[in-house]
Amino acid sequence: EPEVTQTPSHQVTQMGQEVILRCVPISNHLYFYWYRQILGQKVEFLVSFYNNEISEKSEIFDDQFSVERPDGSNFTLKIRSTKLEDSAMYFCASSIGGRGFEQFFGPGTRLTVL
Amino acid sequence: KQEVTQIPAALSVPEGENLVLNCSFTDSAIYNLQWFRQDPGKGLTSLLLIQSSQREQTSGRLNASLDKSSGRSTLYIAASQPGDSATYLCAVGGFNTDKLIFGTGTRLQVFP
Repeated sequence: EPEVTQTPSHQVTQMGQEVILRCVPISNHLYFYWYRQILGQKVEFLVSFYNNEISEKSEIFDDQFSVERPDGSNFTLKIRSTKLEDSAMYFCASSIGGRGFEQFFGPGTRLTVL
Repeated sequence: KQEVTQIPAALSVPEGENLVLNCSFTDSAIYNLQWFRQDPGKGLTSLLLIQSSQREQTSGRLNASLDKSSGRSTLYIAASQPGDSATYLCAVGGFNTDKLIFGTGTRLQVFP
């Protein structure tokens, strides 16, 4: 069964460093998302992406964050200068359609900022 | 602003019991509602998706119902098994947004 994959599973970085989290969505899906979950808190929406552009972003998704679909299969989240409070589990998701369609989530990347 | 809460926060039951997990949302103008399972340190597995026009959805031992007007959904798990132990999350989708808004989760433990 097709699934969303994410790499790495765990990333440790120093405060101020740039990180790139990678995702391979399900191959025939057209809509892509990033969410995050700080330990012990709710899953929070960061950004949605369709047709090579951001379609919606949350207040969390400030200028330190960017997303890209560099080729036909990968979808990346870049954090330019990491802060301690960026430590969280980051989930990529994809769906075949937009609103109203089932979102399928990847296993997550645990980001630890020291 | 949509708020999603889940009760109870944690539940421990013996194997074989039928159980109900609750999800409440403050704004009834939802597009759909999705139930997920999350194992410790793992990703989210989609269990069921209910569109706003539907009253319930079933998958195996799972049945999810939706009452939009009262802002509630329930996930019914029949004949629970130890393998059902996980955190169950509900998330709502709105008409004018791409995002899912997640609840607080119910941590379920089924003991043999």
